[in-house]
Amino acid sequence: DTGVSQNPRHKITKRGQNVTFRCDPISEHNRLYWYRQTLGQGPEFLTYFQNEAQLEKSRLLSDRFSAERPKGSFSTLEIQRTEQGDSAMYLCASSPPDRIYNEQFFGPGTRLTVL
Amino acid sequence: AQTVTQSQPEMSVQEAETVTLSCTYDTSESDYYLFWYKQPPSRQMILVIRQEAYKQQNATENRFSVNFQKAAKSFSLKISDSQLGDAAMYFCAYRKAAGNKLTFGGGTRVLVKP
Repeated sequence: DTGVSQNPRHKITKRGQNVTFRCDPISEHNRLYWYRQTLGQGPEFLTYFQNEAQLEKSRLLSDRFSAERPKGSFSTLEIQRTEQGDSAMYLCASSPPDRIYNEQFFGPGTRLTVL
Repeated sequence: AQTVTQSQPEMSVQEAETVTLSCTYDTSESDYYLFWYKQPPSRQMILVIRQEAYKQQNATENRFSVNFQKAAKSFSLKISDSQLGDAAMYFCAYRKAAGNKLTFGGGTRVLVKP
């Protein structure tokens, strides 16, 4: 399967710990996105990369959050000093260079539970 | 800022019947795209159908069709001949033509009764 993959699928952590999630986009997709989805809500945009450059960040992305895409391939999202309010599904999506439709393909998500 | 509203938290439909999901959005842009995504339980989100704002013709994909009313800023999804596999959360989403991020509505849960 060559879809978007995310690891881990589930993460349980204690408040105050740091966590890191990984996203592997579809090969050849130069655009990568992170979204957060809380229970019963639609996904909310966090950040966007084109190749290795982080071009857009939401105000939701506080200074405890950092995302990287060092070689323009996989990406990591780190949350420092986690809080219970960080509990959510973190979705990654990627899209090809096609500028017209820019269809985003989503991964299965990483579900974070902060105790 | 753009907002997307789905006013129906849940819709129930009998198998083989038709159901229509509502979506309204607010934008000052003239060029944009609208999407419907399906999120089955514990499975990843997939694109169902998309509509370009500059096209007057409503998009159709097999049993899925949209009713796009640009002046009213309305974008509803019709699922015809509903199947058990259509049971899922459905999200309406918006993207500026020159933008990158998707703005999603709160979702509508579709239940299909056999």
